[in-house]
Amino acid sequence: DIVMTQSPDSLAVSLGERATINCKSSQSVLYSSNNKNYLGWYQQKPGQPPKLLIYWASTRESGVPDRFSGSGSGTDFTLTISSLQAEDVAVYYCQQYYSPPYSFGQGTKLEIK
Amino acid sequence: QVQLVESGGDLVKPGGSLRLSCAASGFTFSDYYMSWIRQAPGKGLEWVSYIGSGSITIYYADSVKGRFTISRDNAKNSLYLQMNNLRAEDTAVYYCARAVGGGRSVVFDLWGRGTLLTVSS
Repeated sequence: DIVMTQSPDSLAVSLGERATINCKSSQSVLYSSNNKNYLGWYQQKPGQPPKLLIYWASTRESGVPDRFSGSGSGTDFTLTISSLQAEDVAVYYCQQYYSPPYSFGQGTKLEIK
Repeated sequence: QVQLVESGGDLVKPGGSLRLSCAASGFTFSDYYMSWIRQAPGKGLEWVSYIGSGSITIYYADSVKGRFTISRDNAKNSLYLQMNNLRAEDTAVYYCARAVGGGRSVVFDLWGRGTLLTVSS
């Protein structure tokens, strides 16, 4: 089974500053036949279900602001929020969908400094 | 509108059983794979089970294999999770989620608000 590990566990960033969250998989989630990374990112605000932000490691879901971006390949991935807004306070999760069992990272709690 | 609504969560004693339901609306339910994902209080997300659009392909997490059964009724636009031999560690909010992607490689693009299962004596 693929284990997903996020860092840091929590992060405090000032409004307007950049926030960076890392995600590492225990084995590559890059499928060589199509050169796609089977990695998604979710945002969960307090009291709400998760929301899909990014899939294929770097493709934004429809309606997601362009301050959110994903990067990385193979086993190492990053979610970047270019200019933190107050509404971005949430827990962020990465998820691999290379193969079941689908696994999530433990989550990164993002707060305002 | 496009939505998923879970129901059936309750307080159950260890060893007991419960069936969760998820009603889908606003999209063609039979076209989509579906999953159950849970979140223990104050904890992260744990994928539980997946079912293909025609109920032929089904996967379970090891933690629930042999105790939980996922099913769907496309005529009723509904997804189910039959849970038997419940344990305290099954206590969680259970989310119904629509799964998109290719075959067994899916992300979850639509989530319900969840239903709470508490397993306690």
